[in-house]
Amino acid sequence: EVQLLESGGGLVQPGGALRLSCAASGFTLSNYGVSWVRQAPGKGLEWVSAIGSIGTYTSYADSVKGRFTVSRDDSKKTPYLQMNSLRGDDTAVYYCAKSAANSFHSPFDCWGQGTLVTVSS
Amino acid sequence: EIVLTQSPGTLSLSPGERAIVSCRASQSVSSNLAWYLQKPGQAPRLLIYDENNRATGVPDRFSGSGSGTDFTLTISRLEPEDFAVYYCQQYGSAPRTFGQGTKLEI
Repeated sequence: EVQLLESGGGLVQPGGALRLSCAASGFTLSNYGVSWVRQAPGKGLEWVSAIGSIGTYTSYADSVKGRFTVSRDDSKKTPYLQMNSLRGDDTAVYYCAKSAANSFHSPFDCWGQGTLVTVSS
Repeated sequence: EIVLTQSPGTLSLSPGERAIVSCRASQSVSSNLAWYLQKPGQAPRLLIYDENNRATGVPDRFSGSGSGTDFTLTISRLEPEDFAVYYCQQYGSAPRTFGQGTKLEI
């Protein structure tokens, strides 16, 4: 069964940092791109960042550019999202999502259960 | 950035009825459009991709249509488990963007 399991969320003060992980199982992670999508409380979905298969490309939403870094360790079957200089408007549930194909032009066919990041003093 | 506008924001229907949700893009996304369903407390689930292809395990009462800038998700006969929030997403251009969501309620 294809599964993604996020971890690393929690409460952090403004200006702090967190690293999210996304453990993948049931498929060959190295063959697929992975994105991070967040959802603020009571709000809609916002795409945050993406990394291509074997790190061929990375991209970021303007709202996180320069503060967040996406990476992957295919030997550990785990993509990561390093979040620095966190702000209150970064508070959200963060999902990792697998691309359906090895292409940017691909929807997300598997999502993790999400991990909550709360930025507050 | 391509903006996706969904309508209506909320749709009130009953089981057995037909639901139609629209998604309009600010510029063409070709057929690079997907629909997701999200139930409370759960992650989104892919329903439709490439405009009109059902994802694995999705019942045939769900269908997608449209191209370019105007897309529609149709649920032919609503089941109780269909009442949730629906999002469209384009993956034709960076950044990938989502519509604001349509809540389907009883």
